[in-house]
Amino acid sequence: GENVEQHPSTLSVQEGDSAVIKCTYSDSASNYFPWYKQELGKGPQLIIDIRSNVGEKKDQRIAVTLNKTAKHFSLHITETQPEDSAVYFCAARADKLIFGTGTRLQVFP
Amino acid sequence: GAVVSQHPSRVICKSGTSVKIECRSLDFQATTMFWYRQFPKQSLMLMATSNEGSKATYEQGVEKDKFLINHASLTLSTLTVTSAHPEDSSFYICSASEFNIAKNIQYFGAGTRLSVL
Repeated sequence: GENVEQHPSTLSVQEGDSAVIKCTYSDSASNYFPWYKQELGKGPQLIIDIRSNVGEKKDQRIAVTLNKTAKHFSLHITETQPEDSAVYFCAARADKLIFGTGTRLQVFP
Repeated sequence: GAVVSQHPSRVICKSGTSVKIECRSLDFQATTMFWYRQFPKQSLMLMATSNEGSKATYEQGVEKDKFLINHASLTLSTLTVTSAHPEDSSFYICSASEFNIAKNIQYFGAGTRLSVL
């Protein structure tokens, strides 16, 4: 079955700096890669996703890249703000959505 | 994005009682709904997948008689934790997707924190 690894587990950045979170997946049949933001005590919120037919997607300060050959995908957040502080999960789907282990991002003012 | 409503947000119950959690898709028809469990500081673990009008498919290790899932309509799925015990205490999160070849995006509810005393 699919296995998704995510790094780093924690990430601390200064406000205004960029943050990068990386994930790898094992199932070459995976074709959909969403990223979710989860705030304390709440459900995950979809922030961006990418499908296997594209290599990069951007939405304002957030971008995601996908390297299907290497089975890597990454989340890039630029100009970070304190309100970006949360736990971020990557996920990959072939037949069902499998989540990474999460990254706790802290943005210090 | 689509809205998934989950209730209650928090429930405290005595050991041995049953608890029902509701998950509703508010502005779309959810052909498939998913139930996840999340322990503190851990990832989401899929418990089961349900399609409207059919029996749920449970992941390995999840007791179907313990966690009863009903997906009676295209907008409502329920998870009943039967004879709850302290080890069932966890954060339960539902998710719903609308079948669409171009999308098939999963949207999540806000979660239910279950505490079994």
